[in-house]
Amino acid sequence: AQTVTQSQPEMSVQEAETVTLSCTYDTSESNYYLFWYKQPPSRQMILVIRQEAYKQQNATENRFSVNFQKAAKSFSLKISDSQLGDTAMYFCAFMEETSGSRLTFGEGTQLTVNP
Amino acid sequence: DTEVTQTPKHLVMGMTNKKSLKCEQHMGHRAMYWYKQKAKKPPELMFVYSYEKLSINESVPSRFSPECPNSSLLNLHLHALQPEDSALYLCASSQSGSTYNEQFFGPGTRLTVL
Repeated sequence: AQTVTQSQPEMSVQEAETVTLSCTYDTSESNYYLFWYKQPPSRQMILVIRQEAYKQQNATENRFSVNFQKAAKSFSLKISDSQLGDTAMYFCAFMEETSGSRLTFGEGTQLTVNP
Repeated sequence: DTEVTQTPKHLVMGMTNKKSLKCEQHMGHRAMYWYKQKAKKPPELMFVYSYEKLSINESVPSRFSPECPNSSLLNLHLHALQPEDSALYLCASSQSGSTYNEQFFGPGTRLTVL
């Protein structure tokens, strides 16, 4: 069974600085998808960024980018120019191509952006 | 419209009550999901409806009963719940449940069982 590991339960960063959240996963599948979801105190789970395993190019969405290392099964999220609104719980998630749309989540990293 | 709505936002119920949670989407999605989320934990999948076919997580107690009246609406009926069932219940939808598709989440219902 696939597993997703986020080794940093909590992190903090100063406003305008850069922070990287780590995520590793384990799977025997060759085709899969990886996601970072953000859940602020408002509780709404929001998709931040996604990466298809067959794509070598790292995904980027504005201030958010990933470092996808397929051989190492690593999928870290970099947030540049951190903003107060980035304060949230961040979940790394995994979806096998053959599992339909079923997500496996990591335990989450609570990120606090300090003014 | 890329929104999933859930009602109510908050619910307090006793262990003998019967209540229902409602989830609705108008994106034409054919798969809908119920998740249970405890504080500071990731969501746990409870049920999946894909093309009106239900998939059940075998660990979910029978006191939770899902219903999908149509492809836009998903209910979760609650009966004889326990205090440990207090949690945030999230609904999500995706275009299809058979291939990769992004899941859109609703804001959740905060359930407290007394």
